[in-house]
Amino acid sequence: EIVLTQSPGTLSLSPGERATLSCRASQSVSDNYLAWFQQKPGQAPRLLIYEASIRATGIPDRISGSGSGTDFSLTISRLEPEDFAVYYCQHYGGLPRTFGQGTKVEIK
Amino acid sequence: EVHLVESGGGLVQPGGSLRLSCSASGFSFSDHTMNWVRQAPGKGLEWISFISSSSGSTQYYADSVKGRFTISRDNAKNSLYLQMESLRDEDTALYYCGRGYGSGSWLIANWGQGTLVTVSS
Repeated sequence: EIVLTQSPGTLSLSPGERATLSCRASQSVSDNYLAWFQQKPGQAPRLLIYEASIRATGIPDRISGSGSGTDFSLTISRLEPEDFAVYYCQHYGGLPRTFGQGTKVEIK
Repeated sequence: EVHLVESGGGLVQPGGSLRLSCSASGFSFSDHTMNWVRQAPGKGLEWISFISSSSGSTQYYADSVKGRFTISRDNAKNSLYLQMESLRDEDTALYYCGRGYGSGSWLIANWGQGTLVTVSS
């Protein structure tokens, strides 16, 4: 089983600042099948990024993903008020399809 | 527009059973893989089950539910199901259905709003 470790647990930033979230896998993620989801309170998760770096439909270009192998990151270049949420990474290239524990991006 | 609506959640005693449903619209249901993912109160996401597109002949389960939960689909009704048996306290969670990106995709592209299952005596 691939264990995904996200860091930091909480990121306290101000609107306009840059956010960098990390997701580290315990073993290499095949074909970079790594996705990022955003979840706001009381809402379902929303797909942001897949295959490590491809933005899903409708996702603004201030949100980007990068990485390969075991080290991945999600970057939000300039935080907007709607970006404050919890972010999860997930690998979907094998079984079980584990999620990271999440990173909360909160307003400082 | 893709629309997924889960139902069937509720309060059940430990050892009991429950059947969740997910009604899909806005896309060709039979052409997409489907998943169930759950989230315990205040906790993170846990993938629990996958079913292949078309006939649904391939199913996968997380170890935590293997042998107790069964995923199935009815393409004529555009519906996904999760039959849950021998429920435990730790199965208490919000259960989401998720649409796969395509016919063979393991990526979850869209999510419903979830249905809450509470296992308690």
